Amino acid sequence: DAKTTQPPSMDCAEGRAANLPCNHSTISGNEYVYWYRQIHSQGPQYIIHGLKNNETNEMASLIITEDRKSSTLILPHATLRDTAVYYCIVRVWTGGFKTIFGAGTRLFVKA
Amino acid sequence: DTEVTQTPKHLVMGMTNKKSLKCEQHMGHRAMYWYKQKAKKPPELMFVYSYEKLSINESVPSRFSPECPNSSLLNLHLHALQPEDSALYLCASSQVSSGSSTDTQYFGPGTRLTVL
Repeated sequence: DAKTTQPPSMDCAEGRAANLPCNHSTISGNEYVYWYRQIHSQGPQYIIHGLKNNETNEMASLIITEDRKSSTLILPHATLRDTAVYYCIVRVWTGGFKTIFGAGTRLFVKA
Repeated sequence: DTEVTQTPKHLVMGMTNKKSLKCEQHMGHRAMYWYKQKAKKPPELMFVYSYEKLSINESVPSRFSPECPNSSLLNLHLHALQPEDSALYLCASSQVSSGSSTDTQYFGPGTRLTVL
């Protein structure tokens, strides 16, 4: 199964861009990278996903390296409400989609 | 609408009780999932249903019994639980369940379970 590794925690100043890295060196060619976040004791919230091209939506941007072994989630203007645990996930098809969560990155946005 | 609902929000049960958790979605999704999340840990996959059939069971103890009565509903029946089963139980659903490489899961808010 593809696994991901992320730094355990990061700080970001309010209003600045938050750049969250993720390594997924064992990813297969047709596996997508997903990002979710979880605000304290709530269900994980979908943010964005991508295969090999950079992606942008109203929440964030996703930059995937050309070799697909790593990616970066960018929150362009972090707010205090972006304080959460951010999970980088690669989903694997094994007769059903299997999602293996890594430990995630705890992002603290500070005023 | 990308809403997955879960009931109850909180549940306290004794080790001899039988209870059920309920999850519902009306997005037309054909895959549904149960996860368990302990405090300060990431969610762990328990079960996956595809087209109302159990497709993945992550070696979960038999005191947890999933059921998918129709494409919109997923239950988790609980019996003879242990205090270490206390956790946040998360339900999720996704549209595509067979063969596609991309499939976005949407999670419910979870049920906070305490076993006394």
